[in-house]
Amino acid sequence: EAGVVQSPRYKIIEKKQPVAFWCNPISGHNTLYWYRQNLGQGPELLIRYENEEAVDDSQLPKDRFSAERLKGVDSTLKIQPAELGDSAVYLCASSLQGTFYGADEKLFFGSGTQLSVL
Amino acid sequence: QKEVEQDPGPLSVPEGAIVSLNCTYSNSAFQYFMWYRQYSRKGPELLMYTYSSGNKEDGRFTAQVDKSSKYISLFIRDSQPSDSATYLCAMDSGGSNYKLTFGKGTLLTVNP
Repeated sequence: EAGVVQSPRYKIIEKKQPVAFWCNPISGHNTLYWYRQNLGQGPELLIRYENEEAVDDSQLPKDRFSAERLKGVDSTLKIQPAELGDSAVYLCASSLQGTFYGADEKLFFGSGTQLSVL
Repeated sequence: QKEVEQDPGPLSVPEGAIVSLNCTYSNSAFQYFMWYRQYSRKGPELLMYTYSSGNKEDGRFTAQVDKSSKYISLFIRDSQPSDSATYLCAMDSGGSNYKLTFGKGTLLTVNP
């Protein structure tokens, strides 16, 4: 079974530049999440999608961040303009439904995109 | 005070040692408790899951939850070099808003 695929793996940009991250979830997974993981910290949820609908974007800094999930499959996360403090690993995750407890309902993470803003 | 506190370590042990990893939390609504393992440059993967209080064992791994003390633990027996990773505790209160709250993670190195 293919896992959650993210690209690019690494991205280095200068501040004020735009950047975009792409995620392809596991086939059939309805729920998709974007997390941000700062160095030495645990992941923090940015946005959660149920199919095409963003059901929780309360932690997404909407002045510069945007996300979309067209057709309820792939998703992109965009930052424009990027700031120095945006340097982090951006993780995409998916689950079959909105739950991720127990052996049957696991949250699967991709390897992330490591963003460095100079 | 953060909702979930976890000692970031680093923790270095010899192969075969028993490892104890811990988290404390302040939100009494948490009832789902998980441990994730994260290898370098990889995403976290679910290792153990426990609902409410009690113990759960899976091979060399044992997860314990003490809700009265708001304290959870992960024990690794006969630790192996392949166990070297960052271990993240994560918690959620359940319901319709699934929003895992993670600890900072503890970096574990098991030396051969």
